[in-house]
Amino acid sequence: DSGVTQTPKHLITATGQRVTLRCSPRSGDLSVYWYQQSLDQGLQFLIQYYNGEERAKGNILERFSAQQFPDLHSELNLSSLELGDSALYFCASSVGVGGGTDTQYFGPGTRLTVL
Amino acid sequence: KNEVEQSPQNLTAQEGEFITINCSYSVGISALHWLQQHPGGGIVSLFMLSSGKKKHGRLIATINIQEKHSSLHITASHPRDSAVYICAVQLIQGAQKLVFGQGTRLTINP
Repeated sequence: DSGVTQTPKHLITATGQRVTLRCSPRSGDLSVYWYQQSLDQGLQFLIQYYNGEERAKGNILERFSAQQFPDLHSELNLSSLELGDSALYFCASSVGVGGGTDTQYFGPGTRLTVL
Repeated sequence: KNEVEQSPQNLTAQEGEFITINCSYSVGISALHWLQQHPGGGIVSLFMLSSGKKKHGRLIATINIQEKHSSLHITASHPRDSAVYICAVQLIQGAQKLVFGQGTRLTINP
């Protein structure tokens, strides 16, 4: 158990809908990272927040947005869902901003299926 | 060409064999991670390296910064080691995001 929690575990929805994925980092970790793992693209970095502020942005679509709240939990919002958004979404957390000594701890993931 | 390349893509071995998985990268990095993903999907961070060698139990990870290459070794492999092993590099340039290899699917038969 990494100490990172994600809810829900599974989510099934229809095209065009909007969903929210939630992540609670390990106690004491200030950074939260979001990753997408699809069958054809593998793992991809989406976005990082550090202590409430956006820190780094990866291959995140404009239909997707995220935020980190004062209690450091984070939410990833996915809207106007398409079939291709079906994937495993992982959250990870780390103590610092993500430098060379900053281990990331991964949550169990949320499996999103868009029908 | 991907920034991170792993080989082999698939590896099947017998219990007890010595396993090596390779990772090559083409960009400047501040660290390299080895991750393990079990069939259920969960990801575990095995190692984070910026130089040299690290050992944890039967797992050994090495990195050669000059050659831009890392290896993950498993000694006395066991069926419970069956998983996908993913190499990821932390970029120096830009946002220090992780860039992932495509993974190596390891199957250890009893």
